[in-house]
Amino acid sequence: DGGITQSPKYLFRKEGQNVTLSCEQNLNHDAMYWYRQDPGQGLRLIYYSQIVNDFQKGDIAEGYSVSREKKESFPLTVTSAQKNPTAFYLCASSIDRAGTARMNTEAFFGQGTRLTVV
Amino acid sequence: QKEVEQDPGPLSVPEGAIVSLNCTYSNSAFQYFMWYRQYSRKGPELLMYTYSSGNKEDGRFTAQVDKSSKYISLFIRDSQPSDSATYLCAMGGSGGYQKVTFGIGTKLQVIP
Repeated sequence: DGGITQSPKYLFRKEGQNVTLSCEQNLNHDAMYWYRQDPGQGLRLIYYSQIVNDFQKGDIAEGYSVSREKKESFPLTVTSAQKNPTAFYLCASSIDRAGTARMNTEAFFGQGTRLTVV
Repeated sequence: QKEVEQDPGPLSVPEGAIVSLNCTYSNSAFQYFMWYRQYSRKGPELLMYTYSSGNKEDGRFTAQVDKSSKYISLFIRDSQPSDSATYLCAMGGSGGYQKVTFGIGTKLQVIP
């Protein structure tokens, strides 16, 4: 079955640690996105990538890093510089292609990773 | 003022009721309007998509867009307990999906 897989579902981080959240898709989508979801706030874009080996900061990139070495994979690292990392993290993908102005209206989301700082 | 405003609820209705969920927005450049359903501790799934103004119907769901009022609605007819979820509105203009702005979501509970 095609889809987006996020792992782990739950993750606990100690203060000062970096942690990496995994996101894999087999939809052959070009674009991938990381969002953060907090109670009382809409989804906020952390990073996005429209093509392999290229990515752009979203609205709240500070304290996060990403890589896009393969089309299928877009891992997110939450670094110790992120002051308030406890949140629900969502990965998504769409067929949007770099260099086009066409608005792709459907993104598929993974099931999310809940990160808690302990 | 937020670009997209959505009442977080919670909204409780009896089974079989008609549910009306709404969002307002301030950016007149928005052309694409979407509704997502998100079950607890799950990722959002796209329910409805509408381009510009007008209505779109899909089974028990109807999406309405009124660009003149900057107001969008999702109606659910014959609501079922399985409709209990958080409903997110989302909208965007030109450019890629990274330009989409989401509402905070309205939590709906349908009581049997």
